[in-house]
Amino acid sequence: EADIYQTPRYLVIGTGKKITLECSQTMGHDKMYWYQQDPGMELHLIHYSYGVNSTEKGDLSSESTVSRIRTEHFPLTLESARPSHTSQYLCASSEFSRAEQFFGPGTRLTVL
Amino acid sequence: SQQGEEDPQALSIQEGENATMNCSYKTSINNLQWYRQNSGRGLVHLILIRSNEREKHSGRLRVTLDTSKKSSSLLITASRAADTASYFCATDDTGTYKYIFGTGTRLKVLA
Repeated sequence: EADIYQTPRYLVIGTGKKITLECSQTMGHDKMYWYQQDPGMELHLIHYSYGVNSTEKGDLSSESTVSRIRTEHFPLTLESARPSHTSQYLCASSEFSRAEQFFGPGTRLTVL
Repeated sequence: SQQGEEDPQALSIQEGENATMNCSYKTSINNLQWYRQNSGRGLVHLILIRSNEREKHSGRLRVTLDTSKKSSSLLITASRAADTASYFCATDDTGTYKYIFGTGTRLKVLA
């Protein structure tokens, strides 16, 4: 079982709220990723990091921001949630020199 | 644009049968991975094949890679109901730390 955690697992909030999705891993991995996935659909990369103080935007335009102050922690923040943000958000990590990614269980976000 | 396109989109088979799903991609790669996703969960890594490999086995899984056709296939032999899941291929975006996931194949194994 991979040691990567996401909280909350489910979140229902109203439009305009600021939210932070938490992702932590205890494997000491340098690379971390955030993906957005609608039910039954492909994953879209929204942010990634290859180490502390490094963050990059992914291929999917996103109104979210991320930070990487500590190796084990990679939170994603939405300043003002909208119904279009309703989706599942998956966090993943991998060793710097390896391709295999370990995924967290996901956060299912619903914005009303 | 998305790197991986998978087919079929959905596949339904009887327990004990073999399941084959295919992935096509567009640019040069260093490696290709296959992942499984159970409903509502995160993905689990199954197998990685490098660009200089043509075939790889892991238990009931067999993966092939044809770099000339830019395609890969995943074969699950003697399928079980527990194999019911979505299967995704992922390719590396050469020169970056990114990986691009395919559209997925939803496999249903009937007991």
